[in-house]
Amino acid sequence: AQSVTQLDSHVSVSEGTPVLLRCNYSSSYSPSLFWYVQHPNKGLQLLLKYTSAATLVKGINGFEAEFKKSETSFHLTKPSAHMSDAAEYFCVVSAVAGSSNTGKLIFGQGTTLQVKP
Amino acid sequence: KAGVTQTPRYLIKTRGQQVTLSCSPISGHRSVSWYQQTPGQGLQFLFEYFSETQRNKGNFPGRFSGRQFSNSRSEMNVSTLELGDSALYLCASSTSGKETQYFGPGTRLLVL
Repeated sequence: AQSVTQLDSHVSVSEGTPVLLRCNYSSSYSPSLFWYVQHPNKGLQLLLKYTSAATLVKGINGFEAEFKKSETSFHLTKPSAHMSDAAEYFCVVSAVAGSSNTGKLIFGQGTTLQVKP
Repeated sequence: KAGVTQTPRYLIKTRGQQVTLSCSPISGHRSVSWYQQTPGQGLQFLFEYFSETQRNKGNFPGRFSGRQFSNSRSEMNVSTLELGDSALYLCASSTSGKETQYFGPGTRLLVL
């Protein structure tokens, strides 16, 4: 079975400093992993996805994530935080295996990113 | 392409009533998944529809049901509403249910 654990429920950074949001996953096969962002009262926006093509994945708005199989981690980083990055971030694993469990994503509990001026 | 749309955006109902939520997927996407988001339980998978058939279902009671039409639009119905059904309901679409899902803005349901 697949699962994801976001190691921090809340992260606070100053504007212009690096961002690190941590995620560990568990999967019995090669996973598809995603990071989504949710701004207040909005839906989920895809930041980036890993599907085994490359371990370092670049996403939108300067975010990137590195897949580390040995550590079962998929941490999200950004070199310099912007005020507009303040939101909730979800690490997500696809539950799809072959033709079964279609359409199902499994979400971490979310990390709230606060950016201080 | 237009994104995923959901209507209505907000709903207020009372206990015991029923509610229907609508989701229009991205053009060309045939899979629609539904999720419930609450502060306590986070984001949980409700069900997935593809070609008018429910292919996958999460661990929710039978009061939660859905359907999909031939144009891939989907509706979700909750009968006999309970206070605990208050949540943000999100739908997402993908090409076939195995790829990246794109989310709509959600419908916020408040049950009084």
